[in-house]
Amino acid sequence: GAVVSQHPSRVICKSGTSVKIECRSLDFQATTMFWYRQFPKKSLMLMATSNEGSKATYEQGVEKDKFLINHASLTLSTLTVTSAHPEDSSFYICSALEGVGEQYFGPGTRLTVT
Amino acid sequence: AQKVTQAQTEISVVEKEDVTLDCVYETRDTTYYLFWYKQPPSGELVFLIRRNSFDEQNEISGRYSWNFQKSTSSFNFTITASQVVDSAVYFCALGTYKYIFGTGTRLKVLA
Repeated sequence: GAVVSQHPSRVICKSGTSVKIECRSLDFQATTMFWYRQFPKKSLMLMATSNEGSKATYEQGVEKDKFLINHASLTLSTLTVTSAHPEDSSFYICSALEGVGEQYFGPGTRLTVT
Repeated sequence: AQKVTQAQTEISVVEKEDVTLDCVYETRDTTYYLFWYKQPPSGELVFLIRRNSFDEQNEISGRYSWNFQKSTSSFNFTITASQVVDSAVYFCALGTYKYIFGTGTRLKVLA
């Protein structure tokens, strides 16, 4: 099956700093990737749709200036949490769309902002 | 609007019991997919099944089985003879392009 990786798997950063999370499709090209956020014991909430070569589409209520998404190639999308605050601490999961209708999920990145 | 409801927040069973996780969905689309994922404590989503809206056949995979009923907009998941390793959070999801996830059911299988 298709494999999606995320890096880093865990990151701790200080308030006010920015942190970048990478999402890579390892064995297929993905023109579309998705970014989800999951709070402890909660469901996955779609944050944004990342399209290769164009601007990301953000879901309602997601600050696009805070969560910068770049999809510079067919195998890589990055999510940068800018000026992170403790309330940004969460589990971030990406997925890559292969072909039609099937998303393959990365293993997730646990962000802790101190 | 699309919606996925998993009314069972947490279920506890004793090993070897059968358990059914409920999933009810709402959509106006005629073509859609339904999914089940397992999320163990590590956090990684484990894909279990994808079902096309036109395929109402029930599916069995080992100890896992799924019952899809369009008439009641339900896509329930049954684990037969549960094991401790089945303990996890299980998510039902709906979508074609974008996925909508239910709130998840935490299953605890006690030895």
